[in-house]
Amino acid sequence: NAGVTQTPKFQVLKTGQSMTLQCAQDMNHEYMSWYRQDPGMGLRLIHYSVGAGITDQGEVPNGYNVSRSTTEDFPLRLLSAAPSQTSVYFCASSPLAGRSYEQYFGPGTRLTVT
Amino acid sequence: GQQVMQIPQYQHVQEGEDFTTYCNSSTTLSNIQWYKQRPGGHPVFLIQLVKSGEVKKQKRLTFQFGEAKKNSSLHITATQTTDVGTYFCAPNNAGNMLTFGGGTRLMVKP
Repeated sequence: NAGVTQTPKFQVLKTGQSMTLQCAQDMNHEYMSWYRQDPGMGLRLIHYSVGAGITDQGEVPNGYNVSRSTTEDFPLRLLSAAPSQTSVYFCASSPLAGRSYEQYFGPGTRLTVT
Repeated sequence: GQQVMQIPQYQHVQEGEDFTTYCNSSTTLSNIQWYKQRPGGHPVFLIQLVKSGEVKKQKRLTFQFGEAKKNSSLHITATQTTDVGTYFCAPNNAGNMLTFGGGTRLMVKP
């Protein structure tokens, strides 16, 4: 199993550009989520999904969209990038929605918005 | 979500010294997870604590959940350079939703 994969590893955007961060998992996990981590800080939940076709907002959803058309994929879209979105983005997955399980994190995408 | 405060923010220790990080909440937690993040890496799950007063050990790491389920701690005995990283506590809200503390960054001098 590859686990949780994220692409790209690094990205530089100009203010106002849009892009999609990709996340995929091959463990048949129901639950997937996106976090952002700013320098020297903890992780903050952006959006999450408890299964295909179901998404919901986390703590800091503004400026981001998600969709979950398959169990495996959970892309994160930045609609109009802003310098405040410069961060490291982590995707995570967990076996069953609604229960407390360990979360498996991807390697992250380092995004810089100029 | 449930907010937690982690202390200290940073800790420098000499290799071989012990290290403890604390996670405190003003509300009762249903359960709490601990993660380790190496510099430049991603968070990796260490343990989950569920029961009041629970103590779990993993080699040199000891995890505790307070009797009132409002605090938790991670203690590392005789630190090694491989212990370097940031340790996060993360209470679990409503199933899978984690709220991460700010983390404690551990630096170990060889």
